[in-house]
Amino acid sequence: DAKTTQPNSMESNEEEPVHLPCNHSTISGTDYIHWYRQLPSQGPEYVIHGLTSNVNNRMASLAIAEDRKSSTLILHRATLRDAAVYYCILRDDRGSTLGRLYFGRGTQLTVWP
Amino acid sequence: KAGVTQTPRYLIKTRGQQVTLSCSPISGHRSVSWYQQTPGQGLQFLFEYFSETQRNKGNFPGRFSGRQFSNSRSEMNVSTLELGDSALYLCASSLGGQSNYGYTFGSGTRLTVV
Repeated sequence: DAKTTQPNSMESNEEEPVHLPCNHSTISGTDYIHWYRQLPSQGPEYVIHGLTSNVNNRMASLAIAEDRKSSTLILHRATLRDAAVYYCILRDDRGSTLGRLYFGRGTQLTVWP
Repeated sequence: KAGVTQTPRYLIKTRGQQVTLSCSPISGHRSVSWYQQTPGQGLQFLFEYFSETQRNKGNFPGRFSGRQFSNSRSEMNVSTLELGDSALYLCASSLGGQSNYGYTFGSGTRLTVV
């Protein structure tokens, strides 16, 4: 299984940017980097994904290192509703990862008013 | 558009019974995956179906089974329930299940085995 490493927890103040890091030193060339988050009492929610280039959408930005061994999810202005567990996941189409997501323990983000 | 719908939301069963959970994916999505979430083990993959075929399976005993219908709706069944099967069961759908697609999750079915 492709492995990712994330800090157990992070904190931020409301309306400040948040940078959530993820290390994936064993990433292969065909692995996509996906981010999901899970709010309390809800199913996980897709946030963003990318392969090599940085990506932006309405929720967040994904910055991918040039060697692809790490990535950072950027929330530009944290709100109280962004408090959740954030999961960084590697996916490719091959073998055991086809159609599945490997959830680690993720990063618990706390946002202070 | 409607999201992923899971029914029922809550369920209480007795040890030894069996249970069937239902998942209706987003219209047009052909891949449906199932996950079990517990406080101790986190989110664990059960199985994934694509076009009525099981493409991948996690490390769960044979008591856990599933199927997908021609309209992409999916059901999972757990037979001979054990106390340890108490968990939140989540269903997720995707256009194709490949790595360049995201998944949309339902709100889950909370199963309690007593």
